[in-house]
Amino acid sequence: GESVGLHLPTLSVQEGDNSIINCAYSNSASDYFIWYKQESGKGPQFIIDIRSNMDKRQGQRVTVLLNKTVKHLSLQIAATQPGDSAVYFCAERASNTGKLIFGQGTTLQVKP
Amino acid sequence: DAGVTQSPTHLIKTRGQQVTLRCSPKSGHDTVSWYQQALGQGPQFIFQYYEEEERQRGNFPDRFSGHQFPNYSSELNVNALLLGDSALYLCASSNTPGTKETQYFGPGTRLLVL
Repeated sequence: GESVGLHLPTLSVQEGDNSIINCAYSNSASDYFIWYKQESGKGPQFIIDIRSNMDKRQGQRVTVLLNKTVKHLSLQIAATQPGDSAVYFCAERASNTGKLIFGQGTTLQVKP
Repeated sequence: DAGVTQSPTHLIKTRGQQVTLRCSPKSGHDTVSWYQQALGQGPQFIFQYYEEEERQRGNFPDRFSGHQFPNYSSELNVNALLLGDSALYLCASSNTPGTKETQYFGPGTRLLVL
């Protein structure tokens, strides 16, 4: 069935280090992928997105990599800060649908 | 530029009751999607509204219904509430389907069914 999975439920990093959060997806028809950050008691916050015709996209301190061959998505956060502590979700959208499919999330803990 | 807003922020209901949740999309957006997020889980798609019609629906029973108004705001209605309906209900807005469709989320409504 449809699923987006995350390899690690919790990631703990030292402040200033780089973080990498991984995600596997199963629907080869998905053409659009988004990373969201969700802090406690808040709604998901858009971080960065990537379309299936791209392999890499960079934002401010964040990079998303897409490997369609193995259906893998990753989010890299440079110089991780305490404010980056949150749950991170990847989401996929199948072509010509409005439905986002989310995984269970990875908790990122940043140690000072 | 106002983002996505939702009301109320919290709600307590009892089993069998009905509830209506409200959402106003981000300025410039005309499409609204609703998601249910159980504790410790990722959001689950309920349905999406565009041009005042339900465009797509997830695997939710008919007890879940919605509406979109001419000003693009939307309501989510849940009838005959069950304990399992307790969750965070998220609204997301986006541009017209077929264009850049990044979905931006509101803060959610926390529903507790007793």
